Amino acid sequence: DGGITQSPKYLFRKEGQNVTLSCEQNLNHDAMYWYRQDPGQGLRLIYYSQIVNDFQKGDIAEGYSVSREKKESFPLTVTSAQKNPTAFYLCASSRGLLASTGELFFGEGSRLTVL
Amino acid sequence: DAKTTQPTSMDCAEGRAANLPCNHSTISGNEYVYWYRQIHSQGPQYIIHGLKNNETNEMASLIITEDRKSSTLILPHATLRDTAVYYCIVTRPISGSARQLTFGSGTQLTVLP
Repeated sequence: DGGITQSPKYLFRKEGQNVTLSCEQNLNHDAMYWYRQDPGQGLRLIYYSQIVNDFQKGDIAEGYSVSREKKESFPLTVTSAQKNPTAFYLCASSRGLLASTGELFFGEGSRLTVL
Repeated sequence: DAKTTQPTSMDCAEGRAANLPCNHSTISGNEYVYWYRQIHSQGPQYIIHGLKNNETNEMASLIITEDRKSSTLILPHATLRDTAVYYCIVTRPISGSARQLTFGSGTQLTVLP
């Protein structure tokens, strides 16, 4: 089945450690995104990528880094510089960057808890 | 950016129609209205989107007012599995013709047995 796979689903880390969240899609989508969600709140955009080897900062990119070496993969690293990393992280993809129509397909999310 | 206003929560009886309102009074002419929903601790799911005309698909109907300043998502026969947070979103430009979806806090719909 086509879709987006995020791993791990749950992750615990100590403060000060970098953490990398995996996102893989087999939908042949060009664009990929990372969102962060805090309890009771909506989603905020961290980074997005329109094509391979290109990515742009979203609204809350500080303390995060990404890479897009392959079309299918868009890993997110939560660095030690991120002041409050505990959150639910969602990866999404779309055919294009929503220039006109087009929907986002989301993964099931990764819940990161920093102890 | 066009912002949206939704009620924080709503209840609906199982089997009845659920009507979820959304205000987007600052929407500009080329901005689409999208609806997504998120069941607890899962990724959001696309429901429907529209520009000017009313839209219907297998999940829901979207009614957009003539002035486009508000819209209503209709789930015709709500089931317990429709309990979720529903997001009304207006796309906003990020670069060139590219746009992004900005998710607010949404409406928590609870379908009651």
